[in-house]
Amino acid sequence: QKEVEQDPGPLSVPEGAIVSLNCTYSNSAFQYFMWYRQYSRKGPELLMYTYSSGNKEDGRFTAQVDKSSKYISLFIRDSQPSDSATYLCAMSEESGGYQKVTFGTGTKLQVIP
Amino acid sequence: NAGVTQTPKFQVLKTGQSMTLQCAQDMNHNSMYWYRQDPGMGLRLIYYSASEGTTDKGEVPNGYNVSRLNKREFSLRLESAAPSQTSVYFCASSVPTANVLTFGAGSRLTVL
Repeated sequence: QKEVEQDPGPLSVPEGAIVSLNCTYSNSAFQYFMWYRQYSRKGPELLMYTYSSGNKEDGRFTAQVDKSSKYISLFIRDSQPSDSATYLCAMSEESGGYQKVTFGTGTKLQVIP
Repeated sequence: NAGVTQTPKFQVLKTGQSMTLQCAQDMNHNSMYWYRQDPGMGLRLIYYSASEGTTDKGEVPNGYNVSRLNKREFSLRLESAAPSQTSVYFCASSVPTANVLTFGAGSRLTVL
């Protein structure tokens, strides 16, 4: 079983829809939770970063962490065609003096105009 | 501010050939990383360098070597390329003990 599980999609939604992206994990040592966005043929870029359980909002994006259920989510409100990308969840733990980051496999999102 | 720069962007090799992927960052980050990304496998850590002068193996180090040339540069070498090393390679950097990575644009490698 992978430490981080993420539905690969693809997920196709109409413009303006609310998008929900999810990851589950099995490692209780994960302390930090991140979402990266990766456009086609580009490198991943950090979108959201959270530490504790609860919600964090940034514009149209909300990251949610539930440590008790080992479940994280990313919500995108009023989705736009420019949101079409692959979204990677990532989690990190302290390991030998550095933060070891484990990535999900990514969910491909397409927002249709 | 260029961030993380990788060269080359594309490369085709024959089995058994060698090559080096170059990475440089201009953000004064201490830590640098090499990942490979394959369909259905996500990003997997090959090697990392927590600070200048140190390197350590990641999840999938076999068939690769690295050199931390200085604080800015971290290269990845394939000594004898195999078709299983066909992938997209990403270099990343971060501040020490941080988990927020800044990635380069990637290097697409095909081994025939």
